[in-house]
Amino acid sequence: TQLLEQSPQFLSIQEGENLTVYCNSSSVFSSLQWYRQEPGEGPVLLVTVVTGGEVKKLKRLTFQFGDARKDSSLHITAAQPGDTGLYLCAGEADYNQGGKLIFGQGTELSVKP
Amino acid sequence: DAGVIQSPRHEVTEMGQEVTLRCKPISGHNSLFWYRQTMMRGLELLIYFNNNVPIDDSGMPEDRFSAKMPNASFSTLKIQPSEPRDSAVYFCASRKRQTNTGELFFGEGSRLTVL
Repeated sequence: TQLLEQSPQFLSIQEGENLTVYCNSSSVFSSLQWYRQEPGEGPVLLVTVVTGGEVKKLKRLTFQFGDARKDSSLHITAAQPGDTGLYLCAGEADYNQGGKLIFGQGTELSVKP
Repeated sequence: DAGVIQSPRHEVTEMGQEVTLRCKPISGHNSLFWYRQTMMRGLELLIYFNNNVPIDDSGMPEDRFSAKMPNASFSTLKIQPSEPRDSAVYFCASRKRQTNTGELFFGEGSRLTVL
């Protein structure tokens, strides 16, 4: 059974601070996605990483896929109150096996002004 | 373009009643996923379909849960009989399965409360 473990589960920081969220597994994934979810809505895709060691940047957000494609991280620089939300990582098993997409538990981020 | 449409948005029912949740995926998408979200367990994959065919239903909790996808534009998730522990937000999501980078598009969810 493939599992994705996210840490920390909860994070409360002040505006302007930096933070990192981790997503770890003992399984190899063909790709890994990061989503953000607002209250009362479904998750929305932020980024997809595919290649081991890949780094992608989205404004103040930096995403990295581990070399072995078993882990990923999300780093936010100078967090703002608008970054508040639930961040979810999602891993896809071997695409040729059907495209199963499983999610981590999520990291609830609160950025205080 | 319309996104993934789920109904009902909210349902409150009593233990033992049958519950049917509905989903209309985005037109042209050929993969559909049903997830359940709770505070304790996060977003759990229940079942997913490719081209209307169920691929993996290992996440379905027990025989009380069943899902169908009779055509490319409609899917249902049924719980019979419902129990209080089924209370959760149920999400339907769809995507175009062409490569392993396909974005999942989620509906707004169906919040189920079983009393």
